[in-house]
Amino acid sequence: EPEVTQTPSHQVTQMGQEVILRCVPISNHLYFYWYRQILGQKVEFLVSFYNNEISEKSEIFDDQFSVERPDGSNFTLKIRSTKLEDSAMYFCASSTGGAGNTIYFGEGSWLTVV
Amino acid sequence: QKEVEQNSGPLSVPEGAIASLNCTYSDRVSQSFFWYRQYSGKSPELIMSIYSNGDKEDGRFTAQLNKASQYVSLLIRDSQPSDSATYLCAVNKGTASKLTFGTGTRLQVTL
Repeated sequence: EPEVTQTPSHQVTQMGQEVILRCVPISNHLYFYWYRQILGQKVEFLVSFYNNEISEKSEIFDDQFSVERPDGSNFTLKIRSTKLEDSAMYFCASSTGGAGNTIYFGEGSWLTVV
Repeated sequence: QKEVEQNSGPLSVPEGAIASLNCTYSDRVSQSFFWYRQYSGKSPELIMSIYSNGDKEDGRFTAQLNKASQYVSLLIRDSQPSDSATYLCAVNKGTASKLTFGTGTRLQVTL
C-alpha cells in the first residue's frame, strides 16, 4: 500500500540551528501538507502546497518556516533559527484533493531543540 | 469556541463492549468529517470518513453525522484492547482544504 515516508524519524538540534525535514508523498497525490503536534497537544495545521506553491498557511507558519518541492518526489520543511518551542512531532501528509479530500499522514519526524 | 471539540477522556470500556466517541464542530460550512486513530508517539491513522448525514458502517466501526446539530460520532463495537488509543476527530471544508483536528479522546479498553 502506498505511504507517505518521512526522514529523519528523530532529529536533535541546537537552538538557533536550521533543520530540514524531508517527505516523499504518495506518488499520485497532488496536495501536500505539513502538520505538527507538540507533546500532549492536538495536531495543528502548518501549511498546504499545491502546484508548486503554498495554497494555505496557518498563523504558526511564519517567516521562520519554508517549504519546497525540490524535485518530482520530495517535499521539504525548513525551519530556520530553531527555538525550544519548535520541539514537536512534524507530520507530512498528502492527498489527491478529490471529493472528501482524505489526507494520509507519514510516520512523523520528531524534532527536539536543545 | 473551539473549532472541533472532543472530550479528552479517558473513556474506559470493558473488552467486548461498545465504545462511543463524540465530536462537535463549530463551522457550518464544514463538509467532510474524519476519524483518525493515534497510538502514543505514532502518526494519525485514518479509520473512517463521512460526508453525508446518517450512519456509515465499516466492520466494527460506525460513524454518525448530524450536520444540523454539528455533531459527529464514532461507535466501536466489540471493543478490543488493541483499540486502546487516542481517537481524533477532524473536519475540512471541502476539496483540497486542510484538516482541523480536535484534541482527541483517549480510549482505554480493559480486560
